[in-house]
Amino acid sequence: RKEVEQDPGPFNVPEGATVAFNCTYSNSASQSFFWYRQDCRKEPKLLMSVYSSGNEDGRFTAQLNRASQYISLLIRDSKLSDSATYLCVVISSGSARQLTFGSGTQLTVLP
Amino acid sequence: NAGVTQTPKFQVLKTGQSMTLQCAQDMNHEYMSWYRQDPGMGLRLIHYSVGAGITDQGEVPNGYNVSRSTTEDFPLRLLSAAPSQTSVYFCASSYSPPSTDTQYFGPGTRLTVL
Repeated sequence: RKEVEQDPGPFNVPEGATVAFNCTYSNSASQSFFWYRQDCRKEPKLLMSVYSSGNEDGRFTAQLNRASQYISLLIRDSKLSDSATYLCVVISSGSARQLTFGSGTQLTVLP
Repeated sequence: NAGVTQTPKFQVLKTGQSMTLQCAQDMNHEYMSWYRQDPGMGLRLIHYSVGAGITDQGEVPNGYNVSRSTTEDFPLRLLSAAPSQTSVYFCASSYSPPSTDTQYFGPGTRLTVL
């Protein structure tokens, strides 16, 4: 089983739609959680951190459910510019404390 | 600041050839890492460094060497290229441990091994 799993999609939604992605992680000792965005043939960039209490950044809302070991990302009022691959990222405890990436969920927002 | 730079952008190698992928950052970051990205696999950590002179292995280190003689540079060496090393390689850096600080990624190197 992969340490971080995501539905690869693709998700094709019309402009203005609300779309949600889920991500599950297998290591219960995981400590930090992030969503990164990756445009086609570009490098990943941090979208937002995910906090236990949930957090919002404009049209984006991230939630963490430690009991069920999943993270979610909700995008409201989708824009064409939101089209990208969204990567779920987890950091587990231990000496490495490095990022473990999910394989990504591809989103296309259609006009 | 140029941020994180990588060279070359594209490279084609024959099986058995060696080469070095360059990574440099001008942000005085202590932490630097190399990842590879394959279709459907996400990014996987190859090697990382917590400061000049200190390196360690990540999830998929076989076939790769690194060194960190300066804070700015973190080259990745392919000793004897194999088709399984065909991938996109990203270098990343941050001030602090990745758990507490944003990782900045370079633009990537697309490597094909024939």
